[in-house]
Amino acid sequence: SQKIEQNSEALNIQEGKTATLTCNYTNYSPAYLQWYRQDPGRGPVFLLLIRENEKEKRKERLKVTFDTTLKQSLFHITASQPADSATYLCALERGRQLTFGSGTQLTVLP
Amino acid sequence: NAGVTQTPKFQVLKTGQSMTLQCAQDMNHEYMSWYRQDPGMGLRLIHYSVGAGITDQGEVPNGYNVSRSTTEDFPLRLLSAAPSQTSVYFCASSVEFGQGAGGYTFGSGTRLTVV
Repeated sequence: SQKIEQNSEALNIQEGKTATLTCNYTNYSPAYLQWYRQDPGRGPVFLLLIRENEKEKRKERLKVTFDTTLKQSLFHITASQPADSATYLCALERGRQLTFGSGTQLTVLP
Repeated sequence: NAGVTQTPKFQVLKTGQSMTLQCAQDMNHEYMSWYRQDPGMGLRLIHYSVGAGITDQGEVPNGYNVSRSTTEDFPLRLLSAAPSQTSVYFCASSVEFGQGAGGYTFGSGTRLTVV
């Protein structure tokens, strides 16, 4: 069956460091992969989309990589700030459905 | 520009009752979908629509109905509420699905408790 795993349920890092979140998938051949941010009590907010033929995508302090051979995406936040604390979700798009991982809760410590 | 609007924000139902969760978007998005989010389970797709008059089932459709009579609205109906349907429900829309045109815009959610 298709499965999406995000590296750990919780990740704590020190302010100023780079946070790296992992999204692994099995039994999928996604055309696109997306990353979202979700704050408590709110709906997810779209951050970045990367296509299967793209290796890397950047947006300000965010960087996403997509390795279809390893079936893995890495999501980096450089120069992290306490305001980056949230749950980050990866989602894979194929056919007419977008399937989400269960998320990684990131806490940036001041 | 309101984006995606969900009502109500909170609802308590008794087992067996029916209700409709409302979702409206003002961005002229063709694609709309409903998800439920449960602790440790992530977001799971209930139903989706690629345009007015077209709907299809997602991963967990049982116990829910949808219709799409207009581009703007995509209501989710619970036919006979069960405690297992206690969850947070999110509606989301997108310009066009499957083209990598961009991400989804989510509503703020409806927190439903079935007792």
